[in-house]
Amino acid sequence: DIQMTQSPSSLSAFVGDRVTITCRASQSISSYLNWYQQKPGKAPKLLISAASSLQSGVPSRFSGSASGTDFTLTITSLQPEDFATYYCQQGYSTPFTFGPGTKVDI
Amino acid sequence: EVQLVESGGGLIQPGGSLRLSCAASGFTVSSNYMSWVRQAPGKGLEWVSIIYSSGNTYYADSVKGQFIISRDNSKNMLYLQMNSLRAEDTAVYYCASSPSKRRVDYWGQGTLVTVSS
Repeated sequence: DIQMTQSPSSLSAFVGDRVTITCRASQSISSYLNWYQQKPGKAPKLLISAASSLQSGVPSRFSGSASGTDFTLTITSLQPEDFATYYCQQGYSTPFTFGPGTKVDI
Repeated sequence: EVQLVESGGGLIQPGGSLRLSCAASGFTVSSNYMSWVRQAPGKGLEWVSIIYSSGNTYYADSVKGQFIISRDNSKNMLYLQMNSLRAEDTAVYYCASSPSKRRVDYWGQGTLVTVSS
């Protein structure tokens, strides 16, 4: 099975900050990497698929990139509604494993 | 509008069985990739199972041989039959769907399963 790791596990930031979250796959997953945002008590929301494809309705301050087995989610100018937990997921092969998550708080 | 509504969760004793249901609307279950994802209290997301539009099914190692995913095309419903439940199966179970097997576009609100004596 493909293992996904994320760093950091948590971070504190200010409104307006630039935030970067990294996800690493244990083997090549091509660009089959998704990013989700989850707020407390709510279902996750798909932000980015295929490493860098922004989903419809997601603000452009969110972006994704890839380099080999390393993937990055960047939030430019963090907004109050962005404080949440972010998960990566590989869509390359079953089981479609998630990363452990990165909690972004104030 | 796509909607997924789970039901069937609750308190169950260790060793018991439970069937979760997911009512889908706004799209056709049989033409999409339908998944179950769970989240233990205070923990991260865990991918559980998927059923392809072809009918092929896949499971996480942690539930293989214990859970069965299925669908009823006539009712546009997704199911998860959970057997031999253990305390570590306690979680919110999300029904999820996508036109692609490689991501999850839509999520239900989740249903809580608590395995405890």
